[in-house]
Amino acid sequence: ETGVTQSPTHLIKTRGQQVTLRCSSQSGHNTVSWYQQALGQGPQFIFQYYREEENGRGNFPPRFSGLQFPNYSSELNVNALELDDSALYLCASSAADRGRETQYFGPGTRLLVL
Amino acid sequence: DQQVKQNSPSLSVQEGRISILNCDYTNSMFDYFLWYKKYPAEGPTFLISISSIKDKNEDGRFTVFLNKSAKHLSLHIVPSQPGDSAVYFCAASGYSSASKIIFGSGTRLSIRP
Repeated sequence: ETGVTQSPTHLIKTRGQQVTLRCSSQSGHNTVSWYQQALGQGPQFIFQYYREEENGRGNFPPRFSGLQFPNYSSELNVNALELDDSALYLCASSAADRGRETQYFGPGTRLLVL
Repeated sequence: DQQVKQNSPSLSVQEGRISILNCDYTNSMFDYFLWYKKYPAEGPTFLISISSIKDKNEDGRFTVFLNKSAKHLSLHIVPSQPGDSAVYFCAASGYSSASKIIFGSGTRLSIRP
């Protein structure tokens, strides 16, 4: 059984650019959640996908969007990058859509926006 | 507005002693609480959870206590071991929005020899 993997591990972009981050869920998991963790803060919920549909969203603007694929892997897309988007982006997979199942996190992608 | 608060950014405990990490929440709709542990360069790892219908849950060296009237929970680690040195996050969710987990800002626990 493989764990949650994320790519790339690190990324540097400039303000205004667009970025796509990728996540492969743990085997058997059909739900993926994305979080943003700024320095010195806890992870902040961006959104969750269950069976390719968005299933809950946090307080993030529409330029943060996502996709979940039939194999349950997922992408986080951020358009028009701002300096404040610099953070660690974490994805977590679980086996149910109600969030009560344990979420297993990947190691994260560290994004730096210059 | 922080709905989940961990007011101690850091804590140092001697090996073998009890570590107590505290967490307060403001949203009375939260009914499920979790603790995660995070090492550098790794994602958070689930540690233990508790439902609001309980006031205590124990798993080996880890025990979580929930005081609903005070909107307070704590994580006890007994005995503390060097491998427990990490950042600990308290998190919560509500039944009506169970997919949305709200995390605190974390407490860095250091276990000294």
